[in-house]
Amino acid sequence: DSGVTQTPKHLITATGQRVTLRCSPRSGDLSVYWYQQSLDQGLQFLIQYYNGEERAKGNILERFSAQQFPDLHSELNLSSLELGDSALYFCASSPRTSGNTGELFFGEGSRLTVL
Amino acid sequence: EDKVVQSPLSLVVHEGDTVTLNCSYEVTNFRSLLWYKQEKKAPTFLFMLTSSGIEKKSGRLSSILDKKELFSILNITATQTGDSAVYLCAVSPMNRDDKIIFGKGTRLHILP
Repeated sequence: DSGVTQTPKHLITATGQRVTLRCSPRSGDLSVYWYQQSLDQGLQFLIQYYNGEERAKGNILERFSAQQFPDLHSELNLSSLELGDSALYFCASSPRTSGNTGELFFGEGSRLTVL
Repeated sequence: EDKVVQSPLSLVVHEGDTVTLNCSYEVTNFRSLLWYKQEKKAPTFLFMLTSSGIEKKSGRLSSILDKKELFSILNITATQTGDSAVYLCAVSPMNRDDKIIFGKGTRLHILP
């Protein structure tokens, strides 16, 4: 158990809908990362927050947004869902920014299926 | 654009064999290279390498980095069925932003 909690574990929804994925980092970790993993693309970096502020952005679609709250939990919002958004979404946390440790602690992921 | 390329994409060997997994990278302002193991769900951290030529070792796993040739290898000796997993290589650039870029992984299957 990494200490990172993600909910929901599984989610099935329809095209055009909106979903919110939630992540609670390890106690004391300030950095939260979101990744998307699909079969053919591997782990794709979406976005990173550090202590409530956005620090890095990857290839995150405009339909997707995220935020980190004062209690350090984070939410990833996916809207106008398309079939291609079906994937496993991982949240990871680290004590500081990646430059200090490089080690990320991953949650178990939220599997999103868009029908 | 920063990228990480792993090879082979998949590998099947028999228990007891030794395997070498490869990772090459292109990154602006390299900071570190990371190896992760992904079994069923969450990737778990194996090694972080920052300096060339210094081997990191943990039991039957070892890894080394060549910053001149921009690659790293992960060796697993005396493989066991429990080593079956996807092994992910990632790089952390020394930029203002802190993204960690992952390769697509090598899927390793150990036959009993």
